[in-house]
Amino acid sequence: SQQGEEDPQALSIQEGENATMNCSYKTSINNLQWYRQNSGRGLVHLILIRSNEREKHSGRLRVTLDTSKKSSSLLITASRAADTASYFCATLYSGNTPLVFGKGTRLSVIA
Amino acid sequence: EPEVTQTPSHQVTQMGQEVILRCVPISNHLYFYWYRQILGQKVEFLVSFYNNEISEKSEIFDDQFSVERPDGSNFTLKIRSTKLEDSAMYFCASVTLAGGANVLTFGAGSRLTVL
Repeated sequence: SQQGEEDPQALSIQEGENATMNCSYKTSINNLQWYRQNSGRGLVHLILIRSNEREKHSGRLRVTLDTSKKSSSLLITASRAADTASYFCATLYSGNTPLVFGKGTRLSVIA
Repeated sequence: EPEVTQTPSHQVTQMGQEVILRCVPISNHLYFYWYRQILGQKVEFLVSFYNNEISEKSEIFDDQFSVERPDGSNFTLKIRSTKLEDSAMYFCASVTLAGGANVLTFGAGSRLTVL
């Protein structure tokens, strides 16, 4: 399966702490994306990192990509209760293939 | 902000009935997708659609499923004879390939409950 795998499956932290989620995948990719899903809602794109990039930032989000280990991490700094959601990594293998999503990490930020 | 619109938000149907889920993608987008998510599970790819035809489909997308773009705006997913295991959230997504990034814009989903 080409599917990415996130870990941990669930993460519970206190408001203000940092949250780190990891994603591993199996074959070479074009890019890797992170999406967020609030309970019962659609997925919202957060950030994209291309295969030739190692790190990207967007606000409180920091994404790293290690193509040698076929892994990525999403760091949310100074978490807020509103960050409570499921976070999915999605990999694009080539320009015409569909995004393949992992199983997600459920993040709970406790106020 | 342009958005992908899905209807209905929730549909309850009896096993064996036909269901049509509707989506209005973002107007200048070129690729359209259906994904599904069984409650609490992963988001699974069903089918992609480009230039009025299916470009790729998964093993889940069997003969019971079909997609159509009947006019310039709507994109529909039909399940011919629903089974209990079709109960899931169905998400429509669209993308423009500007920059080749394939960033999907998802709708809010249609929850299908098969009894």
